[in-house]
Amino acid sequence: LAKTTQPISMDSYEGQEVNITCSHNNIATNDYITWYQQFPSQGPRFIIQGYKTKVTNEVASLFIPADRKSSTLSLPRVSLSDTAVYYCLVGDQFRGSQGNLIFGKGTKLSVKP
Amino acid sequence: ETGVTQSPTHLIKTRGQQVTLRCSSQSGHNTVSWYQQALGQGPQFIFQYYREEENGRGNFPPRFSGLQFPNYSSELNVNALELDDSALYLCASSLLSRGDTEAFFGQGTRLTVV
Repeated sequence: LAKTTQPISMDSYEGQEVNITCSHNNIATNDYITWYQQFPSQGPRFIIQGYKTKVTNEVASLFIPADRKSSTLSLPRVSLSDTAVYYCLVGDQFRGSQGNLIFGKGTKLSVKP
Repeated sequence: ETGVTQSPTHLIKTRGQQVTLRCSSQSGHNTVSWYQQALGQGPQFIFQYYREEENGRGNFPPRFSGLQFPNYSSELNVNALELDDSALYLCASSLLSRGDTEAFFGQGTRLTVV
């Protein structure tokens, strides 16, 4: 399964747009890109998933270039409650014997007033 | 609310003891996975059950075992507890399908081994 690289931490201020980029050079043809958000002492929460180009939902946007070797999670107008760890995952849950999600250390986003 | 519930929320055990953690999956989901999350780290995959059979296992010793029941609820059992087993244990349920990696996590069980 493809390994991902993302910044360890990011700081932002309320009302700003935050972009977190994830590198996944070894992404496979069947792999999707998924982002999770985790608050302290809670389980990760699904934010968004995409395969190519751009995906947008009520929470975030996901930009994926044509080569799919990276992706960018965009959070519009962040608030203090967006302070959390954000994980980028790449994989195909159906393929292979593991059937697992591989989490890295994630990006710790701190939003300041 | 994800519809995935775990019990208990907190637990303290002594080294060498055994522990059973429980998870109720979201309705309609046929797959449950267990993860261990140490402080400051991302969740690490323990194993996954699909339709009551183990469907994959991470790099964890055999003293970590599991079960999935016909109603898709699940248990994680850990024997001979070690201090390093102290962590947040997360259960995630999903509907296994090609390309879909969306999983719904419970709030976790905080296990402390003393």
